[in-house]
Amino acid sequence: QKEVEQNSGPLSVPEGAIASLNCTYSDRGSQSFFWYRQYSGKSPELIMFIYSNGDKEDGRFTAQLNKASQYVSLLIRDSQPSDSATYLCAVHSGGGADGLTFGKGTHLIIQP
Amino acid sequence: TAGITQAPTSQILAAGRSMTLRCTQDMRHNAMYWYRQDLGLGLRLIHYSNTAGTTGKGEVPDGYSVSRANTDDFPLTLASAVPSQTSVYFCASSSGTGGAGELFFGEGSRLTVL
Repeated sequence: QKEVEQNSGPLSVPEGAIASLNCTYSDRGSQSFFWYRQYSGKSPELIMFIYSNGDKEDGRFTAQLNKASQYVSLLIRDSQPSDSATYLCAVHSGGGADGLTFGKGTHLIIQP
Repeated sequence: TAGITQAPTSQILAAGRSMTLRCTQDMRHNAMYWYRQDLGLGLRLIHYSNTAGTTGKGEVPDGYSVSRANTDDFPLTLASAVPSQTSVYFCASSSGTGGAGELFFGEGSRLTVL
């Protein structure tokens, strides 16, 4: 059973601070890792993807991957109230188009 | 750009009735997926299709069927709805081979089974 674990939160962060979202996965063969943002009542939208160990930066967002520890994280710098949403970690294990396995999401609240 | 279109947006259905949720994409993606999202359980894969003419079972396929007659359409059918199928259903597609690419989601279909 492939599992993706996230702390459900809510995670409350002051505006302008760094928000750190964490995710662990069980399948050591996982190859691709994604972070989606989902606003209440809306569909998920892709924030970042990462395939290799290390950091990947895109604007205010940084994804970090450590395959040895089976850990992936998302950092949001200079957090804004518009960043308040649920963040979903998703993992693909390869071996066929069987979709992504999603964590249950972390609810992030940016306090003005 | 339309992307993925789902219909209906919401529906109330009596238990025992059948229902087909429609999904159409205009991105010519090979892979398509149906997920359901429930509070506290997250997104769970129901069925998927690698390419037109092929389908596969996901994590929670029971009570659902799909077909993929062409690249663009991937309908999800509930043959005899039960209250536990009350959920928000998301259709998604991907251009990545082996499911490794980004998933693009439709706006969702909210289904209530009474």
